[in-house]
Amino acid sequence: QLQLQESGPGLVKPSETLSLACTVSGGSIRSTSYYWGWIRQPPGKGLEWIGSIFYGGNTYYSPSLKSRVTISVDTSKNQFSLRWSSMTAADAAVYYCARHNLHCSTTSCTPGWFDPWGQGTLVTVSS
Amino acid sequence: EIVLTQSPGTLSLSPGERATLSCRASQSVSSISSNHLAWYQQKPGQAPRLLIYGASSRATDIPDRFSGSGSGTDFTLTISRLEPEDFVMYYCQQYGSSLYTFGQGTKLEIK
Repeated sequence: QLQLQESGPGLVKPSETLSLACTVSGGSIRSTSYYWGWIRQPPGKGLEWIGSIFYGGNTYYSPSLKSRVTISVDTSKNQFSLRWSSMTAADAAVYYCARHNLHCSTTSCTPGWFDPWGQGTLVTVSS
Repeated sequence: EIVLTQSPGTLSLSPGERATLSCRASQSVSSISSNHLAWYQQKPGQAPRLLIYGASSRATDIPDRFSGSGSGTDFTLTISRLEPEDFVMYYCQQYGSSLYTFGQGTKLEIK
């Protein structure tokens, strides 16, 4: 059964860069059927998609976040990562990684729904 | 950006009753061949769990009391007979565009 596990610091200082990793187990990240995504959820609030990556390196990003976010993949570690620059208090959230399943029309396949999800990691921003 | 509006914000019902949750998109999220909408359930302190994709296809191991319907801009998640563990948060998500967005959520609470 595929599982995802986030890892990284639980506390970062304002203006610092956050680095999180998501390790995939029970399956290979080198699949042509999936992208791999990051989603965040501020405490008590809703879900916000950040971006997604294919094992070959193709990425989709939320336009409003793109200037501060980099998602990368390391197939040798079966892992993908998130880097988020210039963290502020507003970026405090639970950060989830998830498999971003492709859906296909007659002409193309694009990312669709998220399943499964990692358990999430809480990131606090404070000096 | 496609905005998803879920209603009601909070739904108060009793176990055994039927729940109807709505998700309305600011523009169509359907193509000729499919509806690009998913539903998730989130319990406190846990990650979201996929319930429905393609507007009406149940995910693996999801009980058949959960069903989805709709097309275009209007979608519904129905829970036919509420169990105590169903009283949690529900989110819809669209993938009709490559800017993937979620609704703000509906909280299902015990009346």
